[in-house]
Amino acid sequence: GQSLEQPSEVTAVEGAIVQINCTYQTSGFYGLSWYQQHDGGAPTFLSYNALDGLEETGRFSSFLSRSDSYGYLLLQELQMKDSASYFCAVTRAMNTGFQKLVFGTGTRLLVSP
Amino acid sequence: NAGVTQTPKFRVLKTGQSMTLLCAQDMNHEYMYWYRQDPGMGLRLIHYSVGEGTTAKGEVPDGYNVSRLKKQNFLLGLESAAPSQTSVYFCASSSLKTSGYEETQYFGPGTRLLVL
Repeated sequence: GQSLEQPSEVTAVEGAIVQINCTYQTSGFYGLSWYQQHDGGAPTFLSYNALDGLEETGRFSSFLSRSDSYGYLLLQELQMKDSASYFCAVTRAMNTGFQKLVFGTGTRLLVSP
Repeated sequence: NAGVTQTPKFRVLKTGQSMTLLCAQDMNHEYMYWYRQDPGMGLRLIHYSVGEGTTAKGEVPDGYNVSRLKKQNFLLGLESAAPSQTSVYFCASSSLKTSGYEETQYFGPGTRLLVL
């Protein structure tokens, strides 16, 4: 089977740093993605890790450890606009050759002043 | 570029009615997807398409049909709507990276469907 686990909710204050963890169990793993979704909006792509290590994009960084089936999204210098849901998603190979995204249930981040 | 657009934005149906959701993308992407999102369950793949004229089932295909007659359009049909199909439906598209696997999906704004 396959599963992804991430915390349901995280709270933090403006200017702080927060880490959202994601653990996964799946066959045919290709990589781990992170998507952001504001209330009432569409998911938008943040980052993708295919190899072990840290990827940095501005205030956001994403980490992957394939041996531990674990990744995290790190948000620095938090701003009020970062309040949103964050989804980890694994890219998984199907036996047809197609690679699909399997999403976690999301972590709701609440940033307070 | 408009990216990915969806029509309609919101719809109310009675049980047993049918409807079609339209997704269009102007990025010349090969892959297109239909997801549903329910509270606490993340996004679940309904059907997908790897190119014009081809479709395949995802995780939760029952009660839905799809068609991809043109590369830029992906239609999701509900033949006989049920209250369990009340959800937010997202369409997405992606290109095939030269490395062989897709990384980024671009999502439409969503269609909110209420089945009474």
